Amino acid sequence: EDKVVQSPLSLVVHEGDTVTLNCSYEVTNFRSLLWYKQEKKAPTFLFMLTSSGIEKKSGRLSSILDKKELFSILNITATQTGDSAVYLCAAAGGTSYGKLTFGQGTILTVHP
Amino acid sequence: DVKVTQSSRYLVKRTGEKVFLECVQDMDHENMFWYRQDPGLGLRLIYFSYDVKMKEKGDIPEGYSVSREKKERFSLILESASTNQTSMYLCASRPTGARNEQYFGPGTRLTVT
Repeated sequence: EDKVVQSPLSLVVHEGDTVTLNCSYEVTNFRSLLWYKQEKKAPTFLFMLTSSGIEKKSGRLSSILDKKELFSILNITATQTGDSAVYLCAAAGGTSYGKLTFGQGTILTVHP
Repeated sequence: DVKVTQSSRYLVKRTGEKVFLECVQDMDHENMFWYRQDPGLGLRLIYFSYDVKMKEKGDIPEGYSVSREKKERFSLILESASTNQTSMYLCASRPTGARNEQYFGPGTRLTVT
């Protein structure tokens, strides 16, 4: 059975802190690892990672994949209150239909 | 921009009622998905469809059925709603191809009393 586990499940920080969110996966025929941000609405896409060791970056957010150890991390530097959200990790495997297996999510709260 | 819309943001139904949740996407995507999201459990796949009239069970299909009569519309049906189906329901779509990114609708928060 495909499985994705995120840690920590929740995190409270202050503005300016740097956070690291973790995602480990066990997925048959792994294709890619995706990160989404969910505020009180639809999850929005952040990154898709397919190759080990290549960092993807968007502003203060960055992510990297380790296909040997089967995990990914999402880093957020200089956090802001607008970063408060649920961060979802998902692994794609198997068929061309693009079935995703999601982790439980990490609830990030950034205090001013 | 891809747009995925869901028929209701909030819905309250009684136990035993038949419930229809509608999802429409405007980007001609072949693949559509229904998830439920519960605290501590993340998103769990209920059903997906890879073409009109084609459907596949996801991880938790019990108590649900789906309908895809047109490419842009994917409906989730609760034949006889139960309190344990109280949840947030999210619809998503993606095109066939290399990218696995799914585009999500805003969700329907269903409460069954």
